[in-house]
Amino acid sequence: DIQMTQSPSSVSASVGDSVTFTCQASQDIGTWLGWYQQKPGKAPELLIYSASTLRSGVPSRFSGSGSGTYFTLTISSLQPDDFATYYCQQADTFPLTFGGGTKVEI
Amino acid sequence: QAHLVESGGGVVQSGESLRLSCATSGFTFSNSGMHWVRQAPGKGLEWVAFIRYDSTSQNYADSVKGRFTISRDNSVSTVFLQMTSLRSEDTAMYYCAKGRGLFFDPWGQGILVAVSS
Repeated sequence: DIQMTQSPSSVSASVGDSVTFTCQASQDIGTWLGWYQQKPGKAPELLIYSASTLRSGVPSRFSGSGSGTYFTLTISSLQPDDFATYYCQQADTFPLTFGGGTKVEI
Repeated sequence: QAHLVESGGGVVQSGESLRLSCATSGFTFSNSGMHWVRQAPGKGLEWVAFIRYDSTSQNYADSVKGRFTISRDNSVSTVFLQMTSLRSEDTAMYYCAKGRGLFFDPWGQGILVAVSS
């Protein structure tokens, strides 16, 4: 199985900050990488797929990059609505697997 | 837009069975692969199962293989998850999700399954 490792597990930030967190795959997954946002008590929502493609309706302050085994998600100018947990997911090989998540806290 | 609603969850004893349903609308269900993903209380996300749009292929996580079966009825735009031999470690919120390829978009609101030992 492909292991997905996210870091850090949590980050403290303020409104207006720019934050970047990482996701590493245990083997080459090309650009088959997605990012999801989950708020407490809610279902996750897809933000970015294919490593860098922004889902329609997602604000442009979110951006993703990377390929192979190393990926990043950047949120420029954090907004109050962005405080949530973010998960990466590989879509290269079954079983599909998620990282452990990064919680963005105030 | 796409809308997914799960049902059929609840509290069961270890070893019992449960069938989840996910009713969908707002997209061409018969053209879409569908997934189940779960989240144990306070934990991260775990993919459970996938079914192709035409039911010709299913894939499962090792943790549920042989116990869970994913199926679909394109005539009523619904995907199912039959869960047997339930264990305490199956306790989770279960989400159905439309496949965007092998990404998940969108998700239903989730349904809780609790297995007591």
